[in-house]
Amino acid sequence: KQEVTQIPAALSVPEGENLVLNCSFTDSAIYNLQWFRQDPGKGLTSLLLIQSSQREQTSGRLNASLDKSSGRSTLYIAASQPGDSATYLCAASMDSNYQLIWGAGTKLIIKP
Amino acid sequence: GAVVSQHPSRVICKSGTSVKIECRSLDFQATTMFWYRQFPKQSLMLMATSNEGSKATYEQGVEKDKFLINHASLTLSTLTVTSAHPEDSSFYICSARDTRQIANTGELFFGEGSRLTVL
Repeated sequence: KQEVTQIPAALSVPEGENLVLNCSFTDSAIYNLQWFRQDPGKGLTSLLLIQSSQREQTSGRLNASLDKSSGRSTLYIAASQPGDSATYLCAASMDSNYQLIWGAGTKLIIKP
Repeated sequence: GAVVSQHPSRVICKSGTSVKIECRSLDFQATTMFWYRQFPKQSLMLMATSNEGSKATYEQGVEKDKFLINHASLTLSTLTVTSAHPEDSSFYICSARDTRQIANTGELFFGEGSRLTVL
């Protein structure tokens, strides 16, 4: 049974720092892995999607990597800004049905 | 990216009443939509998979008669919480996948969520 874990549960860093959020999964036979952002009381915004055949995806200041052999994905945020403060969730899809298995999220606070 | 809209964003109702939440894909068609429930400080829990033109598939432990799902068109799915009770108070989120994607990446797009409070 696939399990997705995100560590740390919370992270607070000063503005301007580069940071890495971690996501690990127990079953390497994933179909894809998706990173989301959730602001308090809001829905989810899709940030990056990595297919099982890909190693990384980039969008602006965000870079997500995927290493299936080690069961890990990381979300790299460059030059962090207060507006990046949110909860970041990763989710793995195991098949074409696209049902997602969710991590518990990392609550990120960027201090001005 | 594709846009998924949920309505209402917030609803307060009395115990025993029913509440309907709509999930619309605004600029794409979705044969499949997913309904999630999220408790405070917890991740999303999949409730059911909504299939256009057929019955929804419910996850184990989710009451079909309690949470009625209708997916009557390629752009609209509804979740009705019947005879709501305070324990049904939660954040409900829907998601959808663009079925027209030629190179189907499997990316899911999410609505803004609906906060239900049952008094």
